[in-house]
Amino acid sequence: QVRLVESGGGVVEPGRSLRLTCIASGFIFRDYGMHWVRQAPGKGLEWLAVIWNDGIRREYADSVRGRFTIARENSKNALFLYMDSLSADDAAVYYCARDLFHSCRSSPCYEMGYWGRGTLLTVSS
Amino acid sequence: HSVLTQPPSVSAAPGQKVTLSCSGSTSNIGNHYVSWYQQVPGAAPKLLTYDNNGRPSGIPDRFSGSKSGTSATLGITALQPGDEADYYCATWDSSLSAVVFGGGTKLTVL
Repeated sequence: QVRLVESGGGVVEPGRSLRLTCIASGFIFRDYGMHWVRQAPGKGLEWLAVIWNDGIRREYADSVRGRFTIARENSKNALFLYMDSLSADDAAVYYCARDLFHSCRSSPCYEMGYWGRGTLLTVSS
Repeated sequence: HSVLTQPPSVSAAPGQKVTLSCSGSTSNIGNHYVSWYQQVPGAAPKLLTYDNNGRPSGIPDRFSGSKSGTSATLGITALQPGDEADYYCATWDSSLSAVVFGGGTKLTVL
C-alpha cells in the first residue's frame, strides 16, 4: 500500500535553513506529482508546493515562494523541501502528500490522495 | 484569510444529515474540481471526495460531494460520533497557480 514517511523536523533557530525529506513506497514514485502541506498549531491546512512527476514543473504558495524549494529524486523515491530563513511563523507539522492521479492527468496537480503522518518543526532560539 | 470560505463550525445529532459549504470564485471552484479532506484530531488529513463528487475506495457512501458554480458542498448522512473532525475543501486557483484550501469546518456530533 502507499506509504509516505516524513523526516527532518525538529527544533531550529530563527534564520536557519532546514531540509525535510519524504520517503515513498508502495507505488511507482516517478509517475506521481507530490505536494508539501503544513499545519501550524491550532490552525488549518496550508498548501506549500507541488512538483510534477518529471521534477521539472513546480508551483509554490506565495507565502513561501523564493524561500522554500521543492525537489525530488525519483531514483531514491524521495521528496524534499528545502527551507531557508526560517521564522516562528514556519513552526508547523509538515505533511507530504501524493497526487491522486498518474501524471496529474496532464493538468495541475491538486488532488492529494495519500498523506504521510507529518514531521514537526519548531523554530526557537 | 483563506481563498475558499467555509463556516468555522457545524453541529448535528447522531443519525442526522449535515451539509458543509465551501465558497470560492471563478478562478478556483468555478473552473476546477473540488476535493474534500477529513482530519480527525491528532491525525493526518484523509481524502474524502475528489473531482467534485468522486469517492476513493473505502470511503462510505454516507459522504458525498457536489459543486454548483463557484460553491461546493460536502454532505454527510447518518452522522456518527466518529465523524467528529475538521473538514477542508480544496481546489486549484488559476490566478494564483496554487492549490487553495478553505479555512476548515469543525464538525461536532452532539
